[in-house]
Amino acid sequence: DTAVSQTPKYLVTQMGNDKSIKCEQNLGHDTMYWYKQDSKKFLKIMFSYNNKELIINETVPNRFSPKSPDKAHLNLHINSLELGDSAVYFCASSQVERGRQETQYFGPGTRLLVL
Amino acid sequence: GQNIDQPTEMTATEGAIVQINCTYQTSGFNGLFWYQQHAGEAPTFLSYNVLDGLEEKGRFSSFLSRSKGYSYLLLKELQMKDSASYLCAVRAYPSSGGSYIPTFGRGTSLIVHP
Repeated sequence: DTAVSQTPKYLVTQMGNDKSIKCEQNLGHDTMYWYKQDSKKFLKIMFSYNNKELIINETVPNRFSPKSPDKAHLNLHINSLELGDSAVYFCASSQVERGRQETQYFGPGTRLLVL
Repeated sequence: GQNIDQPTEMTATEGAIVQINCTYQTSGFNGLFWYQQHAGEAPTFLSYNVLDGLEEKGRFSSFLSRSKGYSYLLLKELQMKDSASYLCAVRAYPSSGGSYIPTFGRGTSLIVHP
């Protein structure tokens, strides 16, 4: 069984379009994340949700809007796509407990190419 | 903010030992992670250190010194399949309050050759 799944795996689209990426985790974790990994392989956090509530919102353009219908899902909607949005987007989940062992499980990634 | 430094690339020989260093500058430190990422794949968790010292897990060990802002990942008995990028990530609570923020280094590309 896949722990963290994302769809689609590949997304090729034109500049100016609106697209969504879906993420689901079946681990029962409370916290989910979206990361962006650029062409230089730098992994940067975009958003984090804990129990459907936004807890981290790094400097990301307003064109990016996360939505968490329930704690097992965190979707990412992107408006007016730009060339610089081309990257690999990873969803991840974790169980956050202060001072205790914690790990993040990553989804397989969505490779977005904006033409 | 946080500043995380690790070497861009390292090479090693199959069967050898390699140490990948990571230095960081942060306030509100709450743990350091190491991840392995093969080309075209997602990162996978290797280790987590929140207290000073060495954590050993099979062929991989990770060390942390909070006072020095320093960690290393030690890989023993290297295998060809260990060729991958190794990401150091620091978890810290922002001084402005709120939840912790995980920040990743740029990764060290390890090439293992026969």
